[in-house]
Amino acid sequence: GEDVEQSLFLSVREGDSSVINCTYTDSSSTYLYWYKQEPGAGLQLLTYIFSNMDMKQDQRLTVLLNKKDKHLSLRIADTQTGDSAIYFCAESTTGGYQKVTFGTGTKLQVIP
Amino acid sequence: EAGVAQSPRYKIIEKRQSVAFWCNPISGHATLYWYQQILGQGPKLLIQFQNNGVVDDSQLPKDRFSAERLKGVDSTLKIQPAKLEDSAVYLCASSPGLGPEQFFGPGTRLTVL
Repeated sequence: GEDVEQSLFLSVREGDSSVINCTYTDSSSTYLYWYKQEPGAGLQLLTYIFSNMDMKQDQRLTVLLNKKDKHLSLRIADTQTGDSAIYFCAESTTGGYQKVTFGTGTKLQVIP
Repeated sequence: EAGVAQSPRYKIIEKRQSVAFWCNPISGHATLYWYQQILGQGPKLLIQFQNNGVVDDSQLPKDRFSAERLKGVDSTLKIQPAKLEDSAVYLCASSPGLGPEQFFGPGTRLTVL
């Protein structure tokens, strides 16, 4: 079945850039996502990229997709303390409906 | 626009008891999802509804879990009887159709003692 892997933890200083990495196994993935989860809250969709794209930028967020290596990354520029959360990578395939598979999440700690 | 509503937010029960969770999706959203998120893991899809029909329940433990979405709006997820390993956060999400964006509720944290 599909598998999505992420490193468990990342610590950065406020103002620095954060890069969170993800690898996936399903070569037929249609969309790849980044979700953010703050303590006690549900998941918030940050951004997603269609599988035929290499890059997507949205304000402080840059998503890079290497489809050959099945590698996805999320770069957060000028990381703030409010960015501290768990970030989930996810992928979906379309077979009449979207079925989303999530990674285990990367906990981002921003040090003031 | 109101978000996805879930209740209760927290529930503590003993093993072998029954429990039910409720979800009210965003108005007009045809697709509704229930996920189980065990501590330290990513959400795992339990069941997906398109209007009031089930499109995927392949990971739903049907011997103890059941879900329904009457009239294609609200949904309930039931566990009967609960086991210790059912302790998790149960997340409900909805989306307008078959597109990529899902909107999540705050979840119900279940503790089974």
